[in-house]
Amino acid sequence: EAAVTQSPRSKVAVTGGKVTLSCHQTNNHDYMYWYRQDTGHGLRLIHYSYVADSTEKGDIPDGYKASRPSQENFSLILELASLSQTAVYFCASSREQNTLYFGAGTRLSVL
Amino acid sequence: GEQVEQRPPHLSVREGDSAVITCTYTDPNSYYFFWYKQEPGASLQLLMKVFSSTEINEGQGFTVLLNKKDKRLSLNLTAAHPGDSAAYFCAVSVRTGGLSGKLTFGEGTQVTVIS
Repeated sequence: EAAVTQSPRSKVAVTGGKVTLSCHQTNNHDYMYWYRQDTGHGLRLIHYSYVADSTEKGDIPDGYKASRPSQENFSLILELASLSQTAVYFCASSREQNTLYFGAGTRLSVL
Repeated sequence: GEQVEQRPPHLSVREGDSAVITCTYTDPNSYYFFWYKQEPGASLQLLMKVFSSTEINEGQGFTVLLNKKDKRLSLNLTAAHPGDSAAYFCAVSVRTGGLSGKLTFGEGTQVTVIS
């Protein structure tokens, strides 16, 4: 079954530490995205990619890097984690202009 | 850029009653419109996607209306049941020469169905 798998599902990080969130999709989709969701709010786009080895900035890229080493894998990197980056992070994939399919999310707590 | 306003932020509805969630958007180039449902602690699941002007789509227990003239998208939950208790998000995508999928989400509506 086609799916978007995120790891880890939850993580506790220390301020100033490095965090890597991973996403793997078996949908054979070209597009992949990273969104963050803050409690009680909608999702905001951090980075996205439409082809391997290329990433684009979304609406809130500051403090985040992204890496797309292959069509299936898309990582989100927090080089220096901060308290304000505590949130739930969702990865998604899609065909060109079609529906986004979301992973289960990663709950990140920065202490 | 696109801005999406979703109302109301919270909604309590008695079982069997109907409820309406509305989103308004700003970009006239908005082309694809989505409703997602998020149950507590879970990911977002697609309820419906629409893209035609002034379209009514019916799903299982809900109706979606798109009015491009007024830049308004609505979700009508009909005959609410406890399984409808969740957060609902509208999302809008602007068609920009083939590069899209960049959804702008509303802030969400937390729906609670009261038995």
